[in-house]
Amino acid sequence: DTAVSQTPKYLVTQMGNDKSIKCEQNLGHDTMYWYKQDSKKFLKIMFSYNNKELIINETVPNRFSPKSPDKAHLNLHINSLELGDSAVYFCASSPTSGSYNEQFFGPGTRLTVL
Amino acid sequence: GQNIDQPTEMTATEGAIVQINCTYQTSGFNGLFWYQQHAGEAPTFLSYNVLDGLEEKGRFSSFLSRSKGYSYLLLKELQMKDSASYLCAGGGADGLTFGKGTHLIIQP
Repeated sequence: DTAVSQTPKYLVTQMGNDKSIKCEQNLGHDTMYWYKQDSKKFLKIMFSYNNKELIINETVPNRFSPKSPDKAHLNLHINSLELGDSAVYFCASSPTSGSYNEQFFGPGTRLTVL
Repeated sequence: GQNIDQPTEMTATEGAIVQINCTYQTSGFNGLFWYQQHAGEAPTFLSYNVLDGLEEKGRFSSFLSRSKGYSYLLLKELQMKDSASYLCAGGGADGLTFGKGTHLIIQP
């Protein structure tokens, strides 16, 4: 059974489009995250979401918005895609929001903006 | 915020031992994590240190010195499958902050 799953695995789209990436975890965790890993492999936190509390990394453009229909899902919606948005996006989850928790990562979504 | 620093790349020989160092500056330190990431795959958890000292887990060990803001990951009996990036991450008030990762190349 996959613990943290993401769809799609690959996403190729044109500049200016709007797209969504879905994430689901079946671990019963309370907290979920979105990370962006750029071409230099630098993994950077974008959002964390816990019991309807959203913590946003201030460097994330407001074109990016997380949406959580329930505790097991945290989707990422991106408006007006730009070339610089091309990266691998990882979803992760942890039991609680404490930073002492191990995080479990999804397989990643490789987004390419043309 | 946090500042995590680790070498960009290291090379080691199969069967040998390698130590990957990480220094950190953090506010509200909550522990130090090491993750392994193979090319094209997701990071996977290796270890967590919150107290000073060495944590051993099979061929992998991780060390922490809070007073020095320093950690290392020690890999013994290196195997070709250990070729990967190793990410140091600090837990703090702002959540987890990852370093840029150390790309470890294992040579036969």
